[in-house]
Formats: sequence, C-alpha cells, structure tokens
Amino acid sequence: EPEVTQTPSHQVTQMGQEVILRCVPISNHLYFYWYRQILGQKVEFLVSFYNNEISEKSEIFDDQFSVERPDGSNFTLKIRSTKLEDSAMYFCASREDRARNRNQPQHFGDGTRLSIL
Amino acid sequence: DAKTTQPPSMDCAEGRAANLPCNHSTISGNEYVYWYRQIHSQGPQYIIHGLKNNETNEMASLIITEDRKSSTLILPHATLRDTAVYYCIVRVVSNQGGKLIFGQGTELSVKP
Repeated sequence: EPEVTQTPSHQVTQMGQEVILRCVPISNHLYFYWYRQILGQKVEFLVSFYNNEISEKSEIFDDQFSVERPDGSNFTLKIRSTKLEDSAMYFCASREDRARNRNQPQHFGDGTRLSIL
Repeated sequence: DAKTTQPPSMDCAEGRAANLPCNHSTISGNEYVYWYRQIHSQGPQYIIHGLKNNETNEMASLIITEDRKSSTLILPHATLRDTAVYYCIVRVVSNQGGKLIFGQGTELSVKP
C-alpha cells in the first residue's frame, strides 16, 4: 500500500539554525499538509498546500516557516531560525483530489522528531 | 477548537468488540466524520469516514446516528495492537485544503 514517507526520522539542531524537513507524499495525491505535535499535546495543523501555493495556514505558521514542492515529488517544511519551542514531532500528510469526491482522507507519514538544543 | 467530544480513556478485553463513542452535536450538513488513530510514536492512521450512512471496511465499522449528532467506531475483535489514541474529527469537504482539527481523543487500552 502506498504511503507517505518522511526524512529524517530524527533531527537535532542548534537553536537559531535553519532546518528542512522532507516528505514524499503518495504519488497521485495533490493536497499536502504539515502538522506538528509537541510532546504530550494535541496534533496541530500548520499549513495546507495545493497547486503550488498555500491554501490555508494556522497562527503557528509564521514568517519563520515556509513550504515548498521543489521537484514535483518532495514536499518540504523549512524553519528559518529555530527556537526551543519548535521541538516537536512534525507530520506530513497528503490527500487525493477527486473533483466529484472531495471527502478523501488525509494519509500521514510517521513524522520527523525535531529536537532543538 | 475540536468540534467533537470523546471520553478520555476506555478499556477493552482482547477479542471483544471495542465501541468508541463520539459526540458532534454541532455538525453541519457538509461535514464528514473521520476517525484516525495514533499508536505511540507513529503518525495518525486513517481508519474510516462517513457522512450519514453507516460504513464498514476491513478495519472497523462506523455507526452514525440519524440526527448525525453522534457516532460510534466499532473495532469488532480488538487485539493488543489496537491499543492507541483514537480521534474523531469532523471536516468540511470543500475545494479548500480541509485541515483536520484534532482533539485529545480516546486512549483505548486493549488488555489480555
């Protein structure tokens, strides 16, 4: 069964450094998402991406965050200058786009654990 | 905020059916009910979704009340591997991104 893959599984970065988290969505999916989960807390929506542009973003997704689909297969989340509070699990998800059936579910990767020191 | 309420935890004996309730009394006509689960340290896993009819797949059954204000996820023969946090989410189906808003979910413990 096709799946969303994320790399790396664990990223350790010094505060203030830039980090890029990578995701390979399911191949025929056209909607892409990033979520995060701080240890012990709820899964939180960050951003959705469709047709090479952001379709929705949360208050968490400030100017320090950006997303990109550089090559038609990878979907990346960049944090420009990391803070201690960015430490979390980051999950990528993707969803099929069917014009007549827009209720298709999102499928998630197993996440990248980001640790900021 | 999540538009659903779920009990924080439930226990189930291995081999028995697990019935996980969810209240979504403010659901709108164009909102679907989705169920996901999260096994420790993994990403949320899609289980099932529905609008108003009952649904069944290889993982579970979803029973939605006629007024759509509540639903129940049924795992017919729970195993130890079904121990996880189960999330009930309502989502508007539209041309927009369709973000998922997670609540705290129900922590299901399947015991031998």
